[in-house]
Amino acid sequence: QSVLTQPPSASGTPGQRVTISCSGSRSNIGFNSVNWYQQVPGTAPKLLIYANNQRPSGVPDRFSGSKSGTSASLAISGLQSEDEAEYYCATWDDSLSGPVFGGGTKLTVL
Amino acid sequence: QITLKESGPTVVKPTQTLTLTCSFSGFSLTSSGVGVGWIRQPPGKALDWLALVYWDDDKHYSPSLKSRLTITKDTSKNQVVLTMTNVDPVDTATYYCVHVDIRAFDMWGQGTMVTVSS
Repeated sequence: QSVLTQPPSASGTPGQRVTISCSGSRSNIGFNSVNWYQQVPGTAPKLLIYANNQRPSGVPDRFSGSKSGTSASLAISGLQSEDEAEYYCATWDDSLSGPVFGGGTKLTVL
Repeated sequence: QITLKESGPTVVKPTQTLTLTCSFSGFSLTSSGVGVGWIRQPPGKALDWLALVYWDDDKHYSPSLKSRLTITKDTSKNQVVLTMTNVDPVDTATYYCVHVDIRAFDMWGQGTMVTVSS
């Protein structure tokens, strides 16, 4: 069971906007910034969003992140077939003194 | 350009010790703020953080696995080694080496699949 809670699945049609939630607690999301990772099947994860809402170089601005209190969200606008992947949220947990992950959300583009 | 590559056995017997090496380039583990970590992913399951070592030799371990893990760095060889003792079939997973910057895993190795089986 993961420390951070994500919905197991999400879906949308091309062009739609979808959001994926990530819920935690004060000791993790409450006091630390959130990162998001994208994992296309059969490949290593890739950093998608860091520090709640920052995009690494090369990540399209269709991807955005936000955080409020002990929850965070990843939004994908203008959904494309290539966005079909597993998405993980992660942050530092002060109580555990280490990083924690969500259980992952499988995004299907219908 | 940062690259990381994991190496180690593909099959390990139960109760044995697993040793994985991360060989990296494009950065120095002596630079302030930089770290290298290990994350694993059992087949079909979520990511599971194992251990981290920072440039100043500050080390962090997953609380549930702390008694079985040791992470060390060799800055002269640009390598980080993870050892896991007393492995079990539940340790079967793909093991990833990651570059850590400001607590984000910004670069990942390709991963190495390890199967624990007799």
